[in-house]
Amino acid sequence: GEEVAQTPKHLVRGEGQKAKLYCAPIKGHSYVFWYQQVLKNEFKFLISFQNENVFDETGMPKERFSAKCLPNSPCSLEIQATKLEDSAVYFCASSQWSLTSSTDTQYFGPGTRLTVL
Amino acid sequence: KNQVEQSPQSLIILEGKNCTLQCNYTVSPFSNLRWYKQDTGRGPVSLTIMTFSENTKSNGRYTATLDADTKQSSLHITASQLSDSASYICVVSALNAGNMLTFGGGTRLMVKP
Repeated sequence: GEEVAQTPKHLVRGEGQKAKLYCAPIKGHSYVFWYQQVLKNEFKFLISFQNENVFDETGMPKERFSAKCLPNSPCSLEIQATKLEDSAVYFCASSQWSLTSSTDTQYFGPGTRLTVL
Repeated sequence: KNQVEQSPQSLIILEGKNCTLQCNYTVSPFSNLRWYKQDTGRGPVSLTIMTFSENTKSNGRYTATLDADTKQSSLHITASQLSDSASYICVVSALNAGNMLTFGGGTRLMVKP
């Protein structure tokens, strides 16, 4: 079946450089979620979208992180002026609905590993 | 503060044996609880999803239980296989704006031949 696609698989940036990650959700899914996983530890929620609208951005660092989901384009997560602590695997997930019922399965992409040197 | 605690942090078992992973949460108001399996280098895959009214759910050799009164869940793996080696993550959803998911730290399971 269809899968959540994330590009690139790996991204290496020097401290202070910009990083941009992309996510193509499963066709027909209205919700997109971004998570950060540092060193195989807990997932940190960043932001979610309902179609092109921000649904919840409570986890988003305000200063350097931004995200968009525009019609007919992959969603993107951009980090301006990367820092060493931004090194992590960034996962995108999508779901058809807003995860309130037991039929709302959330599908994860394979992740983008960002290394900041 | 919403929290999800998992135990043990890691576990080694022999192929063919059963095991049970634990999850305690303090998320409120509770919406649903999910168990995910994450293979090394891959994204998590959903195993089970339970709402408040469901106290057990199975997916093949995986059986999850939920006690909403004590705010505990368990994931039981029967007749383990080498391919069960992975991290198992408990995720609890709060019934509020945005339906925020709170992730546990996971249990790293290694199944040895």
